[in-house]
Amino acid sequence: AQRVTQPEKLLSVFKGAPVELKCNYSYSGSPELFWYVQYSRQRLQLLLRHISRESIKGFTADLNKGETSFHLKKPFAQEEDSAMYYCALGGGAQKLVFGQGTRLTINP
Amino acid sequence: SAVISQKPSRDICQRGTSLTIQCQVDSQVTMMFWYRQQPGQSLTLIATANQGSEATYESGFVIDKFPISRPNLTFSTLTVSNMSPEDSSIYLCSSKTGYNEQFFGPGTRLTVL
Repeated sequence: AQRVTQPEKLLSVFKGAPVELKCNYSYSGSPELFWYVQYSRQRLQLLLRHISRESIKGFTADLNKGETSFHLKKPFAQEEDSAMYYCALGGGAQKLVFGQGTRLTINP
Repeated sequence: SAVISQKPSRDICQRGTSLTIQCQVDSQVTMMFWYRQQPGQSLTLIATANQGSEATYESGFVIDKFPISRPNLTFSTLTVSNMSPEDSSIYLCSSKTGYNEQFFGPGTRLTVL
């Protein structure tokens, strides 16, 4: 079975501090991992996908198959990063399984 | 990426009635998905809607309660039937690109009294 765990429901950091949102997954096949973000009053949007190994808005995420993790990181948080972040796992049947989400608050 | 719209954006309905939610994509897509997001919860997949075939429902969701139509490659509907207050949620549709990433509509906020 596919499962995604985001252990922190809430995360609060100060502006300029590093941010790490944790995501662990469980899947027996070859995983595809994504990070989605939902800003206040906006729709859910794709932030990162592991396959492209890109940096978006200063965020990066590395797939660690040994630790079955896909943590989202940013070295210096900005106030506009405050949002709800969801880790999602794609695998069999081409559907996505979402984690519970982490609400990130950046304090000035 | 695909641009997805949903109608209605929100509705307040009476117990026992049904509501049909429409989802329109600005390009042809093979796979569309319907999710439910209950208050304070994450997204849960209801079903996958493929054009020209019956929708595939996830465990805990049945066609009688959530009938889905997919008449063409740009449009789908989800009906929430015989509603109860427990059906109060945000309902979202999404479409999948060739990279297996999904793009989401703005959601329909449903309140059942």
